[in-house]
Amino acid sequence: GQQVMQIPQYQHVQEGEDFTTYCNSSTTLSNIQWYKQRPGGHPVFLIQLVKSGEVKKQKRLTFQFGEAKKNSSLHITATQTTDVGTYFCRDSGSARQLTFGSGTQLTVLP
Amino acid sequence: DSGVTQTPKHLITATGQRVTLRCSPRSGDLSVYWYQQSLDQGLQFLIQYYNGEERAKGNILERFSAQQFPDLHSELNLSSLELGDSALYFCASSVDGTGELFFGEGSRLTVL
Repeated sequence: GQQVMQIPQYQHVQEGEDFTTYCNSSTTLSNIQWYKQRPGGHPVFLIQLVKSGEVKKQKRLTFQFGEAKKNSSLHITATQTTDVGTYFCRDSGSARQLTFGSGTQLTVLP
Repeated sequence: DSGVTQTPKHLITATGQRVTLRCSPRSGDLSVYWYQQSLDQGLQFLIQYYNGEERAKGNILERFSAQQFPDLHSELNLSSLELGDSALYFCASSVDGTGELFFGEGSRLTVL
């Protein structure tokens, strides 16, 4: 079946630089959830987006849902070493809700 | 603390053996999910239960089985273990089978 693809797979940034990860689908997404997994940790829910074009912010994190509901992005402004981890997206409102995107592994260099 | 409890945290065993991983969901959550995560890999969905019934199955091997008990805790049984089964096994729960997933800290299985 159709999968939710995430890009990039890996991203290394210098502390203070911005970071963006994208979640893309060839079919319409129902709802999008984002999770963060710290190294050695378990995935932790960050946010859910439901509406077309929705934008939500959590401090330095900005989440967007595309107008066509076929993509979503997570943008981190001025990364810090605490942002290190793998970010996963998940289509949470459809039959694909059981699977996660492939994840983007973020490394922040001090 | 997510409220999801997994035991054991670590397990080392030999090829051909059988192990059981246990998960207690968050209080009030009816749905339990099992995921497998190999080293630096993504989250591979294994199976989902809702209120004691199997709801969905992913690419779970025939050597693996699971169940959810009346008290809603779940067990994942892995048999005839192979080296490639070494991984982190996560349990997650949700209230109604949709919505936010709460993950346990995982059970790290090493097969030697």
